[in-house]
Formats: sequence, structure tokens, C-alpha cells
Amino acid sequence: SQQGEEDPQALSIQEGENATMNCSYKTSINNLQWYRQNSGRGLVHLILIRSNEREKHSGRLRVTLDTSKKSSSLLITASRAADTASYFCATEGMDSSYKLIFGSGTRLLVRP
Amino acid sequence: DTEVTQTPKHLVMGMTNKKSLKCEQHMGHRAMYWYKQKAKKPPELMFVYSYEKLSINESVPSRFSPECPNSSLLNLHLHALQPEDSALYLCASSPRDRGSGYTFGSGTRLTVV
Repeated sequence: SQQGEEDPQALSIQEGENATMNCSYKTSINNLQWYRQNSGRGLVHLILIRSNEREKHSGRLRVTLDTSKKSSSLLITASRAADTASYFCATEGMDSSYKLIFGSGTRLLVRP
Repeated sequence: DTEVTQTPKHLVMGMTNKKSLKCEQHMGHRAMYWYKQKAKKPPELMFVYSYEKLSINESVPSRFSPECPNSSLLNLHLHALQPEDSALYLCASSPRDRGSGYTFGSGTRLTVV
């Protein structure tokens, strides 16, 4: 099952520009996480934001969470060609199950 | 050791074959997962093991059979698969603490012929 939608589905920017990806989800969450995937291989955890947090930073990454709108955004500042990848949001629910459900993903291309 | 190791990286199997995918982690994580990912789609959860017991089966066909022999190992046994089962199979683990991200392996690219 898929938790929600991400937009845009694909994003192409110039190196040095900022990239913003949005994620919407359907059910109440304990936390929301962002992952990067290069060339259809393993996913790399980028950042986790809890449901009682509104904003979090990690290096060039900034994540916001709006639980009233059931949405999150990921901002990558000063993008680099190496940031080219697919980015997924994923949520852990409030129930006792420990499982991660993914959104549809955004494919980011950073042109040199 | 902060990795999840999956073997093999690539697997081609016939529809009558039996094969197994293996996953190993030594981070002491008590939850382990199998995900299936088709091209240009998000990973879809298949199974969750919590403290070596199967806790979630997301209505996966019985031709996929998971096994957790111990807290470090997770297997996925495959039998009588269909060509539409061709996908990237990802293993992941988590410490089950609601505050940490999941660690994913690099996946097994499975092709059913």
C-alpha cells in the first residue's frame, strides 16, 4: 500500500539552485522520514521528523511538517549534480506496528 | 557494522525454480523488513519481523515465504514465481525506537523468466 503522493513527480534544476519536494499522507503519523535512492538501488535515510516537530535541518536539507494538512516538504539548498536521485517520503503510523510506508517519490535531476 | 547486506545482488530464475534471498545485519536491530519495488515505483512493504516473529504479512502470495532464523538474519524463499514478480527486493532493519531511520540493503534484482 502507498501512503500518499509526492509532487512534483519529476524535477529538473540547474546546479546551485534549490530543490523543493512536497509529500502528502493520509493517516495520523508518529514520524515522517525522507530517503534518497540512486539508480534503483538501496535507499539511504536522510532525515526524520517527529509528529510534534515542525521543522528540522541537516546540512543542506530542511524538512517541514504540517500535521494539520498532513503534508511535508523537503528543501535541498545549493544543489549538486550528486544530488540527482529519487527522493521518497515515508511514514510510521501511530499504531503498535513498526512499519514504514512510502509515498510515490520525486525524481530529481540536477544539471551541471 | 552499520550495514544491511543482501545476497545475491542479481538473480535470474525460472518459474519452476526454488531460490532464496538472504539479508544480514549486525546492528542489533530487532525489526527486519522485506520490500518489493517495481521500476519507477515506491517500495511496497511485504513482511515485517519483530523480535524474530512475523508480525505483518501484507497479503503477500504464498509463493513468497519469509524466514527469520535469528536476530541477524532474514531470508525470503521463492517458489513458482511469475514473470510479474520480477522486481528489486529490498531488505531493511530498524531499532524499533520511533526515533531512528531504517537501514536498507542495496537490494536483489530478481528476474523471473
